[in-house]
Amino acid sequence: KNQVEQSPQSLIILEGKNCTLQCNYTVSPFSNLRWYKQDTGRGPVSLTIMTFSENTKSNGRYTATLDADTKQSSLHITASQLSDSASYICVVSDRGSTLGRLYFGRGTQLTVWP
Amino acid sequence: EADIYQTPRYLVIGTGKKITLECSQTMGHDKMYWYQQDPGMELHLIHYSYGVNSTEKGDLSSESTVSRIRTEHFPLTLESARPSHTSQYLCASSERGTTDTQYFGPGTRLTVL
Repeated sequence: KNQVEQSPQSLIILEGKNCTLQCNYTVSPFSNLRWYKQDTGRGPVSLTIMTFSENTKSNGRYTATLDADTKQSSLHITASQLSDSASYICVVSDRGSTLGRLYFGRGTQLTVWP
Repeated sequence: EADIYQTPRYLVIGTGKKITLECSQTMGHDKMYWYQQDPGMELHLIHYSYGVNSTEKGDLSSESTVSRIRTEHFPLTLESARPSHTSQYLCASSERGTTDTQYFGPGTRLTVL
């Protein structure tokens, strides 16, 4: 069964600190992996997308890594801000064609305290 | 910020009522989707469309129906709402391509009493 597992389920950090969120997946065949940020009461917004050949992708203070061999990805947030408080969702696609299916993790709920 | 809109944002209705959740996008995307999301849980695909007059059921069985008469519009209808339909409903769209990044609307929080 194709699955996407995220850890930790929730995380509290102080403003200015760094943190790393984890995503393990069993989806096969693998096409790409996305990290989304979902603010409370809003729809998810794409942060990064990585294909099989990409090991790392940055978007400002967000850096995602991918190890396709071990089927693991991480999202590193540098110098956290209060606005980073949100749910971070890992999404894996099993094909890159128009028939590609997406598998969603349950997200990591990040809270940044002042 | 994606140009995809959902109305209403919040809806509280009684059991048995018929409701339609609206979703529209101005990006000209062919593909559109409806997801259902409960608190702390993953998104579940309930409907999708590849284009006008194309609609398909998703992974999660749903009593709702959808239509795609115009490219920009993808409404979801519940003929008779029940408390089990209480959830957040998210609409998304994507353009043709290998990366298939989906752009999400703000969601509709539905509560059925």
